[in-house]
Amino acid sequence: GQQLNQSPQSMFIQEGEDVSMNCTSSSIFNTWLWYKQEPGEGPVLLIALYKAGELTSNGRLTAQFGITRKDSFLNISASIPSDVGIYFCAGQLLWGGGADGLTFGKGTHLIIQP
Amino acid sequence: ETGVTQSPTHLIKTRGQQVTLRCSSQSGHNTVSWYQQALGQGPQFIFQYYREEENGRGNFPPRFSGLQFPNYSSELNVNALELDDSALYLCASSPAGKGLYEQYFGPGTRLTVT
Repeated sequence: GQQLNQSPQSMFIQEGEDVSMNCTSSSIFNTWLWYKQEPGEGPVLLIALYKAGELTSNGRLTAQFGITRKDSFLNISASIPSDVGIYFCAGQLLWGGGADGLTFGKGTHLIIQP
Repeated sequence: ETGVTQSPTHLIKTRGQQVTLRCSSQSGHNTVSWYQQALGQGPQFIFQYYREEENGRGNFPPRFSGLQFPNYSSELNVNALELDDSALYLCASSPAGKGLYEQYFGPGTRLTVT
């Protein structure tokens, strides 16, 4: 099946630092989504991207849909303790028509050191 | 606005048994998708229901089946449970139109097969 390569696998940062993570694929996606999941919870949608080159912000979060439609990145500025969690990228294949579901990366585990 | 709800929260079953998991969609959402999330992995797409019919399926065997009801709630049924079926099962709903690809997840059902 399709795979999304998400990196880094984990990040250990200091509070206040900026964070950057990305996802790449060999396939073309027509939608990129970024989710955050905390222990015992389902993924929470952070940002949805629909157009190649699109740059979208949600508070301290900024995500971009790559020009090639094969990648996306998520930036978090000035991290705070509540940013801790696992961040997943997810994509919808170009020809999927919505019925193929979302393909998820393996997640980036964000840990903030005091 | 009520979000996606799932029941039960946790479940323990024995290998070979059958299980039914339930999901109530977010208000106004008519499409439901089910995902399996193994420990340390991203969610894997099982299938999607729209207008009470399955309209997309991932790489899961036929012993995984589902239903969607007129009120858009849904069930996931798994027959002949195997140890590898132990996972977090997530239900996600999405609205029609542009938001079809924006999937909103419930908290999940943790299934343990012994």
